Amino acid sequence: IAGITQAPTSQILAAGRRMTLRCTQDMRHNAMYWYRQDLGLGLRLIHYSNTAGTTGKGEVPDGYSVSRANTDDFPLTLASAVPSQTSVYFCASSGDRGETQYFGPGTRLLVL
Amino acid sequence: GENVEQHPSTLSVQEGDSAVIKCTYSDSASNYFPWYKQELGKRPQLIIDIRSNVGEKKDQRIAVTLNKTAKHFSLHITETQPEDSAVYFCALYQAGTALIFGKGTTLSVSS
Repeated sequence: IAGITQAPTSQILAAGRRMTLRCTQDMRHNAMYWYRQDLGLGLRLIHYSNTAGTTGKGEVPDGYSVSRANTDDFPLTLASAVPSQTSVYFCASSGDRGETQYFGPGTRLLVL
Repeated sequence: GENVEQHPSTLSVQEGDSAVIKCTYSDSASNYFPWYKQELGKRPQLIIDIRSNVGEKKDQRIAVTLNKTAKHFSLHITETQPEDSAVYFCALYQAGTALIFGKGTTLSVSS
């Protein structure tokens, strides 16, 4: 059992390019989340999904989109990357709302 | 939205001392309060959590206390060891959405 996996591990991206960060979990968790982590700012919620087919906006959703076509996958797309999106991105999942969240290993993204 | 204030931002202690990190919040509807530990270059990992129907929970050297009236909760680490050095995040569950995190506390334990 892998838990939560993210891909790629790291990426250097030219500004203006489109990028999709992948997240897959095999725990059959209903809820999934995307956070970005920046020094001194902690973990900020980008988007969340309480169940397959539904998504919601978090604290910093601008410039990002998500989809939840099935239970296992929750990709995060940057339509046109900008340098301020340089960050470490963590995907997480939980069995239901309000339960323990488990984090993936993260994706380090550098936008130049 | 909900805001979680975490203090201090950095904490340095000698091995064997105790460490206390405190978080305050504003949403009285919050009922789940976890603490995560993040080592350098790693993912955040849950170390302890507490729900609003209890005031204190202990797990070996770590404990969490919750004061719902005053809207604050704290992490207590006793007999600190060098391997406790990490960034610690408090969080709370914002109803209908996700965990909202504090900005973190960098704990350094020197031997």
